[in-house]
Amino acid sequence: DTGVSQDPRHKITKRGQNVTFRCDPISEHNRLYWYRQTLGQGPEFLTYFQNEAQLEKSRLLSDRFSAERPKGSFSTLEIQRTEQGDSAMYLCASSPDYLADTQYFGPGTRLTVL
Amino acid sequence: GEDVEQSLFLSVREGDSSVINCTYTDSSSTYLYWYKQEPGAGLQLLTYIFSNMDMKQDQRLTVLLNKKDKHLSLRIADTQTGDSAIYFCADQQGTGRRALTFGSGTRLQVQP
Repeated sequence: DTGVSQDPRHKITKRGQNVTFRCDPISEHNRLYWYRQTLGQGPEFLTYFQNEAQLEKSRLLSDRFSAERPKGSFSTLEIQRTEQGDSAMYLCASSPDYLADTQYFGPGTRLTVL
Repeated sequence: GEDVEQSLFLSVREGDSSVINCTYTDSSSTYLYWYKQEPGAGLQLLTYIFSNMDMKQDQRLTVLLNKKDKHLSLRIADTQTGDSAIYFCADQQGTGRRALTFGSGTRLQVQP
């Protein structure tokens, strides 16, 4: 297994544009998470899927953000009308269906909004 | 709301032990985790401990949990230059939530 993968690794966009990121979890991991990390801070939780169901959403996930996991495998995170404050590293993690949420992280997508 | 705090920086010499400390506020935390992040990379899960345990050892890593004081520590024995990174502690609430709450990270610098 190659681990969690994310695409693209870097994205530069202009303010007001829409961007979409993809995450491929470790195969057979039922749970998938999105986090956002800004410089000098720890990751902040955005949302969580159990298979295709989105079960938790942070209040950080404004109405410009939407996440999907249509077939319970890969997930996409879309940001509409990007703002400079959206510049961050967007991290995806997956975990198996155990009691301890041993979340395995991907390398992240670094978003820069100009 | 819940909060996880860590000291910002720790410097040790190669071969010494490193102790990274973390405090948390949520008394319902079930599991607590330690992650390592190298520059430009994602987070690597190092170890975790269940809240009814006091200690867990995994090779060079020892985790100590004082649930009464809500204090967690990670000890790295025989610290190597490759251990230089940012270390994050994180907790998971016991209310059925899956989200992890992370501290701001401790930068460990290992001097040769």
